[in-house]
Amino acid sequence: KNQVEQSPQSLIILEGKNCTLQCNYTVSPFSNLRWYKQDTGRGPVSLTIMTFSENTKSNGRYTATLDADTKQSSLHITASQLSDSASYICVVSAKGYSTLTFGKGTMLLVSP
Amino acid sequence: NAGVTQTPKFRILKIGQSMTLQCTQDMNHNYMYWYRQDPGMGLKLIYYSVGAGITDKGEVPNGYNVSRSTTEDFPLRLELAAPSQTSVYFCASTDGLADPQETQYFGPGTRLLVL
Repeated sequence: KNQVEQSPQSLIILEGKNCTLQCNYTVSPFSNLRWYKQDTGRGPVSLTIMTFSENTKSNGRYTATLDADTKQSSLHITASQLSDSASYICVVSAKGYSTLTFGKGTMLLVSP
Repeated sequence: NAGVTQTPKFRILKIGQSMTLQCTQDMNHNYMYWYRQDPGMGLKLIYYSVGAGITDKGEVPNGYNVSRSTTEDFPLRLELAAPSQTSVYFCASTDGLADPQETQYFGPGTRLLVL
């Protein structure tokens, strides 16, 4: 069964600090991995998409890494801002399917 | 740009009532999806459509029905509401012609409470 596990479940950091969120998956055959940001009461918004051949991708202060051998990904947030407070969802797509497997998300709170 | 719009934003239903959740996208996307998000859980796919007139079941289709008569609209129907259907419902779309794995654009969600 395809699964996506994220850690930690929740995280509190001070404004200006960096943090790293983790994602482990067992989706096969792998097609791509996405990170989404979901603000409270809103729909998810795409941050990055990485295919098998890509091991890092950045979007401003967000940098995602992918290790397809160990089936792990991380999302690093640099110089956090209050607006980074949100749930961050790891989503993995399998080849040949038009559907995705969603993680439960990591709830990040950036405190002033 | 409107993107993906959903109505209503919030609804309370009594057990056994029916309702239709509306979803419209103005990006001419072929692929559209309905998900539900329960507290502390990942999104689960209910139904999806790869084009007008074509729909297929996702992971949790029981208790729901969909139709796709136009490219723009993808309504989700609940026939006999049950408390287990209390959730937040998200509609999403993507340009499946270019690549089925393209970025999904999500609507703002419909919060449904069944009492």
